[in-house]
Amino acid sequence: AAGVIQSPRHLIKEKRETATLKCYPIPRHDTVYWYQQGPGQDPQFLISFYEKMQSDKGSIPDRFSAQQFSDYHSELNMSSLELGDSALYFCASSSTGGDTSQQQYFGPGTRLTVT
Amino acid sequence: AQSVSQHNHHVILSEAASLELGCNYSYGGTVNLFWYVQYPGQHLQLLLKYFSGDPLVKGIKGFEAEFIKSKFSFNLRKPSVQWSDTAEYFCAARPYGNNRLAFGKGNQVVVIP
Repeated sequence: AAGVIQSPRHLIKEKRETATLKCYPIPRHDTVYWYQQGPGQDPQFLISFYEKMQSDKGSIPDRFSAQQFSDYHSELNMSSLELGDSALYFCASSSTGGDTSQQQYFGPGTRLTVT
Repeated sequence: AQSVSQHNHHVILSEAASLELGCNYSYGGTVNLFWYVQYPGQHLQLLLKYFSGDPLVKGIKGFEAEFIKSKFSFNLRKPSVQWSDTAEYFCAARPYGNNRLAFGKGNQVVVIP
């Protein structure tokens, strides 16, 4: 079965650079979630989108922005990168249809290293 | 704010031993509960979930969890672990009607052959 696809899988950037992470949800899933997992930490919710509209916002820095496109894929844009942004960024998708009880399926993550 | 607590962050045990990982959440309303497993270098995979009904939930790979509403707990159990169960285990909660998952700090479980 198709799973959530994230690209790139690994990304190395320098401080103050920008990065774009992409997430392709499972086909027919309409909701995308972004989580950040720092080294040895639990995943922290950043932001989510339902039908291309932001549906919830967590602890996402102002330097980050995200959007969901008409094909339901999502991109997380990160600017003025800091060393502390080094983390594993997970995307998850669900088939919500307005019902938020649906299970979230996680992608493999993008490991971002800021040097 | 809702939080999820997991204790005993590092657990080391031998094959065939029993495993129990505690999870407590702090939310008074209806809540969906999950246990995820993260094998080394891999993404989060769902072990089991509780939405409603029978409080004893059976998941994949022989895992089960019991929801005890009065204790705000959702403990994970496996009667006999295998070396392949070496992984990090995350408990997560989501208030009904909410999108985001709140994760606990995780339990790093190492099973010695």
